[in-house]
Amino acid sequence: NAGVTQTPKFRVLKTGQSMTLLCAQDMNHEYMYWYRQDPGMGLRLIHYSVGEGTTAKGEVPDGYNVSRLKKQNFLLGLESAAPSQTSVYFCASSANRMRKTQYFGPGTRLLVL
Amino acid sequence: AQTVTQSQPEMSVQEAETVTLSCTYDTSESDYYLFWYKQPPSRQMILVIRQEAYKQQNATENRFSVNFQKAAKSFSLKISDSQLGDAAMYFCAYRSKKLVFGKGTKLTVNP
Repeated sequence: NAGVTQTPKFRVLKTGQSMTLLCAQDMNHEYMYWYRQDPGMGLRLIHYSVGEGTTAKGEVPDGYNVSRLKKQNFLLGLESAAPSQTSVYFCASSANRMRKTQYFGPGTRLLVL
Repeated sequence: AQTVTQSQPEMSVQEAETVTLSCTYDTSESDYYLFWYKQPPSRQMILVIRQEAYKQQNATENRFSVNFQKAAKSFSLKISDSQLGDAAMYFCAYRSKKLVFGKGTKLTVNP
């Protein structure tokens, strides 16, 4: 049981480049989330999904897109990376949004030059 | 909007001693959950302890316990018999419709 995994662990992008971060969970969780963490701040919610085929915006969705084509996977896309998107990105999953604990992946460190 | 405040950016404790990390939150909801997460240098977010707002009894997990004061909207974390491996960032979080994090407290454990 791997829990929540994220790919890649670290990436460097040039401004304007695109990339996709992959999150996978093997706990059969319905809900999945993408957060970003910046120095001196807690985590902020980018987008989330309440089930396969659904997505919704969080606190800081601008510049990101997401897709949940399969229940176990939640993809975060950056179409045109900007230096302001330099951050550590965390994926999480939970059985449902209200009652259950969120389980986090190990994080992806992204540097945009 | 719900907010979570951790007033101590940094704390330090001697190995084997006890330390308390503070957290306050602001909400008008009556049904919610509170969490403490630990983030070691590996950056992974690890759940330490969880408290349901409807429960009066304070949650405990081995050396970790909380002091939950619902009326005061306070949720502090006590770490007893501190170990070197406890050194990390600790985040307090509140959850009703979404999970809201505080800015974190960096805990240093001195040998």
